Amino acid sequence: DTEVTQTPKHLVMGMTNKKSLKCEQHMGHRAMYWYKQKAKKPPELMFVYSYEKLSINESVPSRFSPECPNSSLLNLHLHALQPEDSALYLCASSRDRVYEQYFGPGTRLTVT
Amino acid sequence: SQQGEEDPQALSIQEGENATMNCSYKTSINNLQWYRQNSGRGLVHLILIRSNEREKHSGRLRVTLDTSKKSSSLLITASRAADTASYFCATDSGLTGGGNKLTFGTGTQLKVEL
Repeated sequence: DTEVTQTPKHLVMGMTNKKSLKCEQHMGHRAMYWYKQKAKKPPELMFVYSYEKLSINESVPSRFSPECPNSSLLNLHLHALQPEDSALYLCASSRDRVYEQYFGPGTRLTVT
Repeated sequence: SQQGEEDPQALSIQEGENATMNCSYKTSINNLQWYRQNSGRGLVHLILIRSNEREKHSGRLRVTLDTSKKSSSLLITASRAADTASYFCATDSGLTGGGNKLTFGTGTQLKVEL
């Protein structure tokens, strides 16, 4: 199984809502990532988890809160988002350092 | 800020022709990777070239890396309509705690017409 799954595929939320994005992989990968991608732009790294510990936070606002409950699962909790946070949120995983990353299909988020 | 700059930004070719995309980056790297993205969906890994390698092939793909010029190129031979996508280079600077930090280039939008 070389698949990374993400749910939901689409999400529309108001600025006062709390929602969560979910990402799952069963490849035994020990590193997992969240990226944000705006239209016609490259993905931008948000967070890196390695062996279930947060190893990188790219100065992401606190309204985005990542969580890694176990080695297969990665969540991104959203609260009090702004319209400019509307984007495609991509999850990825990799075996470890210096390996390719496997991406999920993304969650398209719209903040109204 | 983005590490990689790619050119051209957009490329339109006929099916059967070759497509070449270039990527330049600014700092030292562990490896450089190329990814394809179809129409705002997830990225698919194409090829990884390590900093001590100069050229790598995978099917119709050929990647070169020149660390002295901090540049890489991706050649797709005998292109097909299904190759229509955005192509990104990504540089890997490595992480001390595990995982790899990829910084993506600006991307090349390739359109292959029948």
